[in-house]
Amino acid sequence: DARVTQTPRHKVTEMGQEVTMRCQPILGHNTVFWYRQTMMQGLELLAYFRNRAPLDDSGMPKDRFSAEMPDATLATLKIQPSEPRDSAVYFCASGLAGRENTEAFFGQGTRLTVV
Amino acid sequence: GQQLNQSPQSMFIQEGEDVSMNCTSSSIFNTWLWYKQDPGEGPVLLIALYKAGELTSNGRLTAQFGITRKDSFLNISASIPSDVGIYFCAGGLIQGAQKLVFGQGTRLTINP
Repeated sequence: DARVTQTPRHKVTEMGQEVTMRCQPILGHNTVFWYRQTMMQGLELLAYFRNRAPLDDSGMPKDRFSAEMPDATLATLKIQPSEPRDSAVYFCASGLAGRENTEAFFGQGTRLTVV
Repeated sequence: GQQLNQSPQSMFIQEGEDVSMNCTSSSIFNTWLWYKQDPGEGPVLLIALYKAGELTSNGRLTAQFGITRKDSFLNISASIPSDVGIYFCAGGLIQGAQKLVFGQGTRLTINP
């Protein structure tokens, strides 16, 4: 059963704490996306990787957010220090990039609450 | 950057009715995707469109890739209660990177 797995599903943390979200993409997929979803902004692309290399992280606040892919089976999104405005649902998605293929398959998300 | 205008923002319909929603953009996209999101879950891909003018069906769902490549619509026929959720369109740009830009979503509510 191929699916994108995200952990944790829920995270409540205090302002100023470090938060790390993890994602296991679908085996064989070479593209990984990080999205943030809020009521006000909808789904925003934060960053994405192709073959583990970052291609675009222009949507990510650089001063506090960082995204990495230590290996092909793990992507991480880190926020340090966290702020209340970071409260949102963070989705990881993966896909297999090809000439026409732009499909992205989403995980269940990490609901982050920063108090 | 690119933006998608998705409409309507919300729909309240009776079970059995047909549903139509659409996305428009000032930019050209090479791919249009339609997703459905249930509460507490991630978006699930429903239909993918890759060619201008393409009309694709998936059960009671039908979607079309506009000729101008700047729009797409999704129709749901004979709606049932499990169709409730938020539907998102997404436009894809093949620029060596294949970014997806999402619409704001259409929230569908069905009265039994």
